[in-house]
Amino acid sequence: GDSVTQMEGPVTLSEEAFLTINCTYTATGYPSLFWYVQYPGEGLQLLLKATKADDKGSNKGFEATYRKETTSFHLEKGSVQVSDSAVYFCALSVRGGNKLTFGTGTQLKVEL
Amino acid sequence: GAVVSQHPSRVICKSGTSVKIECRSLDFQATTMFWYRQFPKQSLMLMATSNEGSKATYEQGVEKDKFLINHASLTLSTLTVTSAHPEDSSFYICSAPTSGGDKDTQYFGPGTRLTVL
Repeated sequence: GDSVTQMEGPVTLSEEAFLTINCTYTATGYPSLFWYVQYPGEGLQLLLKATKADDKGSNKGFEATYRKETTSFHLEKGSVQVSDSAVYFCALSVRGGNKLTFGTGTQLKVEL
Repeated sequence: GAVVSQHPSRVICKSGTSVKIECRSLDFQATTMFWYRQFPKQSLMLMATSNEGSKATYEQGVEKDKFLINHASLTLSTLTVTSAHPEDSSFYICSAPTSGGDKDTQYFGPGTRLTVL
């Protein structure tokens, strides 16, 4: 079945540090890939997405590239801020369907 | 972007009572909505798919009679937790895909925190 594996957290960084959160997936067909962010006490917000191989999703300084050869969609940001502290979820959906399969989430803490 | 709202945001109830949670798509129509449950520090677990005009589709292990879903219109789905017990305490989140060309993208409600005493 479809699955998403994320690196375990929490990840603690100093402000302006470089961020990488690893995400790999297993899926039949060609899934769309997503990163969602959940701030404390809130629901999920779409951060970025990519729908085909080699696509790069980007938003708010975050980037992730759809790598079919390594079945990965790692999230990166060059310089994190305290306001980026949240839980980040990698997810996929199989083409033609709406169901999302989520990773377990990675908590990011950014300190001054 | 599209907006999905949930009501209430928090609810506390006594064991044995029923609680209704509403999920609304505010600026688009949604023939399908999804209900998730999130345990503390864990990922989202899909509970069921709510279908406008037909019965909901439940995931394996989710009790249909416990979690009643009604998709009353193209903008409203409700989840009723019947005879709630403390183990039903959780964060419930709904989502809806847009009806346009970008059907892969789902928009999530802010969630409802249910506490059963």
